Amino acid sequence: GDSVTQMEGPVTLSEEAFLTINCTYTATGYPSLFWYVQYPGEGLQLLLKATKADDKGSNKGFEATYRKETTSFHLEKGSVQVSDSAVYFCALEPRDDKIIFGKGTRLHILP
Amino acid sequence: NAGVTQTPKFQVLKTGQSMTLQCAQDMNHEYMSWYRQDPGMGLRLIHYSVGAGITDQGEVPNGYNVSRSTTEDFPLRLLSAAPSQTSVYFCASRDGGSYEQYFGPGTRLTVT
Repeated sequence: GDSVTQMEGPVTLSEEAFLTINCTYTATGYPSLFWYVQYPGEGLQLLLKATKADDKGSNKGFEATYRKETTSFHLEKGSVQVSDSAVYFCALEPRDDKIIFGKGTRLHILP
Repeated sequence: NAGVTQTPKFQVLKTGQSMTLQCAQDMNHEYMSWYRQDPGMGLRLIHYSVGAGITDQGEVPNGYNVSRSTTEDFPLRLLSAAPSQTSVYFCASRDGGSYEQYFGPGTRLTVT
């Protein structure tokens, strides 16, 4: 069945470091892909999305490109801040309207 | 707009007790869903609804019931609580034509 695999955390970086969180997926057809972020004590918020191959989603300095050939949607940011500390979830939506989430990657940014 | 609201924020139950987790949204969204979040497991879909009067099972529906009598409300009922249902529960909603889900703040449930 459809699934999402993302790198396990926690990931610990210093402020201003480059961030990559890997995400790969398995799906039939052409799903939409998402990154959600969960700040401590809160629900998830949509960070960015891509709905077709080669689309690049971007928001708040984060980017991810929908790569159909490698079935990947890696999250990147050029210079992280302490305020980026959170849990990041990769997700896909097949055409049956049910969103499938990865297990989440906890990110710690040290000042 | 209040967005998606959930009550209570915290709850402790004894094994065998029943309770209802409340979820409401004021955005007139068609789709509503319930997820549970467990360490190392991500979010798993319990039940979802694509409109008033229509509900369907997700990945982990056993032990939970839902109903959708109005567009705004989507309560989740635990029929006979078990320790395995200790989790954080999130309600979410979205418009049928949109990809973005809006999440509530969550309910942390402990079953002893």
